[in-house]
Amino acid sequence: AQSVTQPDIHITVSEGASLELRCNYSYGATPYLFWYVQSPGQGLQLLLKYFSGDTLVQGIKGFEAEFKRSQSSFNLRKPSVHWSDAAEYFCAVGWGGATNKLIFGTGTLLAVQP
Amino acid sequence: ETGVTQTPRHLVMGMTNKKSLKCEQHLGHNAMYWYKQSAKKPLELMFVYNFKEQTENNSVPSRFSPECPNSSHLFLHLHTLQPEDSALYLCASSQEGGQFEGYTFGSGTRLTVV
Repeated sequence: AQSVTQPDIHITVSEGASLELRCNYSYGATPYLFWYVQSPGQGLQLLLKYFSGDTLVQGIKGFEAEFKRSQSSFNLRKPSVHWSDAAEYFCAVGWGGATNKLIFGTGTLLAVQP
Repeated sequence: ETGVTQTPRHLVMGMTNKKSLKCEQHLGHNAMYWYKQSAKKPLELMFVYNFKEQTENNSVPSRFSPECPNSSHLFLHLHTLQPEDSALYLCASSQEGGQFEGYTFGSGTRLTVV
């Protein structure tokens, strides 16, 4: 069965430091891969997505993610974190068919220290 | 209005009340979804509607009753809820057919059952 694992429940980084959030998936083929961000009390906003082609994808707010097929991973990175990046981040695996579906990881809560 | 709009943003209801959550999308999408987000639990897909037809019901209790009168509107009718139903209810939409671009989420309705 398809699944998404985000091994880090909570991460704290200092403002200006680099960030990497981990995501591993289980799926029989190359899925569609997504990262979403959720600020407190808000819905989920799409940061970036990967379908095919270049394995390094750029998103909004200075985020990027790299698809590594051999590791079944799609880690999210940012070179320099800003205080406004504090939020919860969700990795999702999707696939097409009769109805497109997304399965979400359990999320990683990011705290940013001044 | 743009994107996906959910009303109300907050709702407090007693266990014997009947209320409805509303979702409206202005993106021209043809699929809509209800998700439940509880603290410390993964996002739970509740219902999927594709071209107004319900295509998925993930074993949701009958006290939750969805309605999709057209591709732009989705309702979740609530009755005789339990305190454990308190959660953030998120609506999302997507475009079926062609490249799967992921879901667009609303800001959610924070439901408290007392």
